[in-house]
Amino acid sequence: GAVVSQHPSWVICKSGTSVKIECRSLDFQATTMFWYRQFPKQSLMLMATSNEGSKATYEQGVEKDKFLINHASLTLSTLTVTSAHPEDSSFYICSARTQGGSDDSNQPQHFGDGTRLSIL
Amino acid sequence: GQNIDQPTEMTATEGAIVQINCTYQTSGFNGLFWYQQHAGEAPTFLSYNVLDGLEEKGRFSSFLSRSKGYSYLLLKELQMKDSASYLCAVMDSNYQLIWGAGTKLIIKP
Repeated sequence: GAVVSQHPSWVICKSGTSVKIECRSLDFQATTMFWYRQFPKQSLMLMATSNEGSKATYEQGVEKDKFLINHASLTLSTLTVTSAHPEDSSFYICSARTQGGSDDSNQPQHFGDGTRLSIL
Repeated sequence: GQNIDQPTEMTATEGAIVQINCTYQTSGFNGLFWYQQHAGEAPTFLSYNVLDGLEEKGRFSSFLSRSKGYSYLLLKELQMKDSASYLCAVMDSNYQLIWGAGTKLIIKP
């Protein structure tokens, strides 16, 4: 159980292109999903917390107009990197938190397989 | 500030036991997670501790001492496929996950 699917797994595109990444919880409903970025040999860096039906909460230093997040249903969140540039090249990973009774705040996050984004 | 410390790299032999330590200083505590991450892949959930003591799950065990701000992940009967990074993450009072930088575990035959 607790399977998270992320698509696409690899994207190579030209500078200035917008790229959309999808994150789906396949066998559970996720009120909250998270978007991370990870540079080589570095730790996960939380970009934003996505809540179903409301605006995402962005971490300090993350441009919300550049990284558009939509969480329109309990099983799908999308991250769109707008006008991508080479410095946006990274490994983007989503995660979804399983629900645990009345309070799912301390439930583990389950990760998608990640999207490797390369901007030329 | 909030801080998670774990060793950068460890080396162990196939079939042996290894203990990966994690110390933390966070604003509040709502549990500690261990994740495994193979190179180029996303993390996989291993364990969750919120009460003091040892949680055993097959070859992997995780221990927590809240008074000491300390946890360890114990891996027994090491296999080559256990070569990966192991990430310690603490959930703070706002239910935000604070991530350690990870410990790269190298298994030698």
